[in-house]
Amino acid sequence: DAGVIQSPRHEVTEMGQEVTLRCKPISGHDYLFWYRQTMMRGLELLIYFNNNVPIDDSGMPEDRFSAKMPNASFSTLKIQPSEPRDSAVYFCASRPGWTNEKLFFGSGTQLSVL
Amino acid sequence: SQQGEEDPQALSIQEGENATMNCSYKTSINNLQWYRQNSGRGLVHLILIRSNEREKHSGRLRVTLDTSKKSSSLLITASRAADTASYFCATVNSGNTPLVFGKGTRLSVIA
Repeated sequence: DAGVIQSPRHEVTEMGQEVTLRCKPISGHDYLFWYRQTMMRGLELLIYFNNNVPIDDSGMPEDRFSAKMPNASFSTLKIQPSEPRDSAVYFCASRPGWTNEKLFFGSGTQLSVL
Repeated sequence: SQQGEEDPQALSIQEGENATMNCSYKTSINNLQWYRQNSGRGLVHLILIRSNEREKHSGRLRVTLDTSKKSSSLLITASRAADTASYFCATVNSGNTPLVFGKGTRLSVIA
């Protein structure tokens, strides 16, 4: 298996632009998580899905953030409009449904909003 | 909110020395996990210890858990330059609740 795949690896955009981050979880994994990492706040959980259904989005900072999982092999995190304070590394992670013992992370998307 | 808090924030040691990192948490847990993050990469799972376990080993890694003190430690023995990374603890409160991560310890192993 190729692991969790995220794209793009790097994204540089201007304030006000729409940004879409993509994630392909490991096949067979029922849970998908979006985390954001910054120096100040560490690793924050934004939202997670179980069987494509959003379970908890209380970590989504504002209405500018939205996430979808249209099928078991694809998820997006969208920021519209983007702001400089959204600059961070965004990670997608997945795990099987039968165990809460190991999370598999993608390589992350480094987002810079100018 | 963050459950685990690692200590120290940064640690610098010579190759061959042992590195010890600590993690404290606030509420009761189902299990506690340690992850490593190399610069510019995603987190990689290292080891898990359940709430009814006190110590666990995996290669050069040794993890202890003290539920009465709500703390855990990760010991890396005979460190190597390749161990240079950030190390995070993460806790699972119960069932299928998501992992909550601390801010990590940055370990530098100098050759």
